[in-house]
Amino acid sequence: QQQVKQSPQSLIVQKGGISIINCAYENTAFDYFPWYQQFPGKGPALLIAIRPDVSEKKEGRFTISFNKSAKQFSLHIMDSQPGDSATYFCAASSQAGTALIFGKGTTLSVSS
Amino acid sequence: DTEVTQTPKHLVMGMTNKKSLKCEQHMGHRAMYWYKQKAKKPPELMFVYSYEKLSINESVPSRFSPECPNSSLLNLHLHALQPEDSALYLCASSLQPGPNTGELFFGEGSRLTVL
Repeated sequence: QQQVKQSPQSLIVQKGGISIINCAYENTAFDYFPWYQQFPGKGPALLIAIRPDVSEKKEGRFTISFNKSAKQFSLHIMDSQPGDSATYFCAASSQAGTALIFGKGTTLSVSS
Repeated sequence: DTEVTQTPKHLVMGMTNKKSLKCEQHMGHRAMYWYKQKAKKPPELMFVYSYEKLSINESVPSRFSPECPNSSLLNLHLHALQPEDSALYLCASSLQPGPNTGELFFGEGSRLTVL
């Protein structure tokens, strides 16, 4: 119940295309859903985060869509660029929890 | 300054060595973390310090020993490690303790190889 299931494991998108990464969870106590971006040789960095009181949050080309009833959330990257090539981790946590629960990650490659 | 600085960036050690990893932040964050990350895997939480006190130890073997000398510094002392401990060790900090209180700021990590 503490898991966050992330798909796909890897993704190849053409430059200018839309990248979509999906995550699903079971624990209804989760109330914070961040996405982290990690480039090779670097630590993860927060990309965007959402709380369940909204269904969508947009920051530039990055959008989180959140479906509370389905217990799913997704990251959309519009107009994907080669510089977006990285590993993306979704995550979830609850107020009562002790740790951020990470998905297994998605390696995105944007081809030019 | 929004950085978490980790040293060394790379470390190679034998199974009988004693070494330390260091982490520093000057953002006034009150929670600091050690994570372990294997290749193509998500970060795994090891330890959490809240207000300079160890609050979470995720059943980490005693060959890893954390220390928080002050609110800006975090160390991880390593002794008698095994080859399977080779990994990227990430330090992180957050303004407040708690997994959903906001952004985790990660350092670039220390790449550890145990021979």
